[in-house]
Amino acid sequence: KQEVTQIPAALSVPEGENLVLNCSFTDSAIYNLQWFRQDPGKGLTSLLLIQSSQREQTSGRLNASLDKSSGRSTLYIAASQPGDSATYLCAVPLSGGYNKLIFGAGTRLAVHP
Amino acid sequence: NAGVTQTPKFRVLKTGQSMTLLCAQDMNHEYMYWYRQDPGMGLRLIHYSVGEGTTAKGEVPDGYNVSRLKKQNFLLGLESAAPSQTSVYFCASRGDNRFDQPQHFGDGTRLSIL
Repeated sequence: KQEVTQIPAALSVPEGENLVLNCSFTDSAIYNLQWFRQDPGKGLTSLLLIQSSQREQTSGRLNASLDKSSGRSTLYIAASQPGDSATYLCAVPLSGGYNKLIFGAGTRLAVHP
Repeated sequence: NAGVTQTPKFRVLKTGQSMTLLCAQDMNHEYMYWYRQDPGMGLRLIHYSVGEGTTAKGEVPDGYNVSRLKKQNFLLGLESAAPSQTSVYFCASRGDNRFDQPQHFGDGTRLSIL
């Protein structure tokens, strides 16, 4: 059964730091992995989607990598800003198709000035 | 662009009452999903639909029913609400089954069952 784990559960850093959020999954037979951002009281915003044929995706200061063989993905945030404060969730598809997602519990990030 | 719209945003129910949550998307997406999010946990899939007139069970379907009579709408029903169904409910949609298609989420419905 697929399980998704995110470490750390919470992270507090000063503004300007480069940081790495981790996501691990138990079944490597995935066709994509998606990273989301969730602000308090809001829905999820898709940040990056990495297909299984790709090793990484970049969007602005965000870079996500995928290593299927080890069951790991990382989200790298460069030069963090207070506006990056949010919960970051990763998700992979459940077996059986149709991109039914299973999520990690998230990493709650606080960037302080 | 409205994207995915959920109504209502908040609701308080008494145990045993029934209600329907509405999800509407204006992107002509084929796939739609209902998830619930509980404190300290990731989202869990309740039901999903791969097109108008179709529905299927997800990970935690018990106590819920769904309908997709129109392509743009996906309804989630609670026939007899229980305190264990207190949660935040999210609807999502996706264009098609290509591997590069992300899911787009609504802002959620916060439901409390007393």
